[in-house]
Amino acid sequence: GENVEQHPSTLSVQEGDSAVIKCTYSDSASNYFPWYKQELGKGPQLIIDIRSNVGEKKDQRIAVTLNKTAKHFSLHITETQPEDSAVYFCAARRLIQGAQKLVFGQGTRLTINP
Amino acid sequence: DARVTQTPRHKVTEMGQEVTMRCQPILGHNTVFWYRQTMMQGLELLAYFRNRAPLDDSGMPKDRFSAEMPDATLATLKIQPSEPRDSAVYFCASGLRTTSYEQYFGPGTRLTVT
Repeated sequence: GENVEQHPSTLSVQEGDSAVIKCTYSDSASNYFPWYKQELGKGPQLIIDIRSNVGEKKDQRIAVTLNKTAKHFSLHITETQPEDSAVYFCAARRLIQGAQKLVFGQGTRLTINP
Repeated sequence: DARVTQTPRHKVTEMGQEVTMRCQPILGHNTVFWYRQTMMQGLELLAYFRNRAPLDDSGMPKDRFSAEMPDATLATLKIQPSEPRDSAVYFCASGLRTTSYEQYFGPGTRLTVT
């Protein structure tokens, strides 16, 4: 089955600096890789995603890169702001017996220091 | 602003009691997912419905958990009898399978079993 490893588990950066979170996956058949942001007491919120036929995707200050050969993908947040502080989860999706499944990483707690 | 809603937001119950959690997916979405989040296990998929039919519930303890979709606007997750190890946050997510892989999460139900 799919296994998703996420690093680091905690990350602290100065406001205005960049933050990078990395994930690796085990199943080469995985074809969709979303990133979720979870604030305290709330459900995960989809912030960006990428499909396996694309190498990079950008949306304002956030970007995701995918290296299918190495089976890893990364989230990049530039010009970080205090409201970026949250727990971030990566996930990988594959079709298993007709059912799509997202397998999540363990999460990264990002703290932006003012 | 279309959102997934879940009730109750918090539930405290005693071991052995029945617990029912409800979810209203985003109108028009045809896939519904139930996840459980704990510190130790992270986000785990419990069950998955498409067009109200259960496609996969392999992540769910069958002896005490059951998931249903009585209609397109309501999904339920029931635990009977509940145990302390069931204490977790339970999330419902919905998506529109025909156009995208995106899943949108509700705010969750925090369950505490004493």
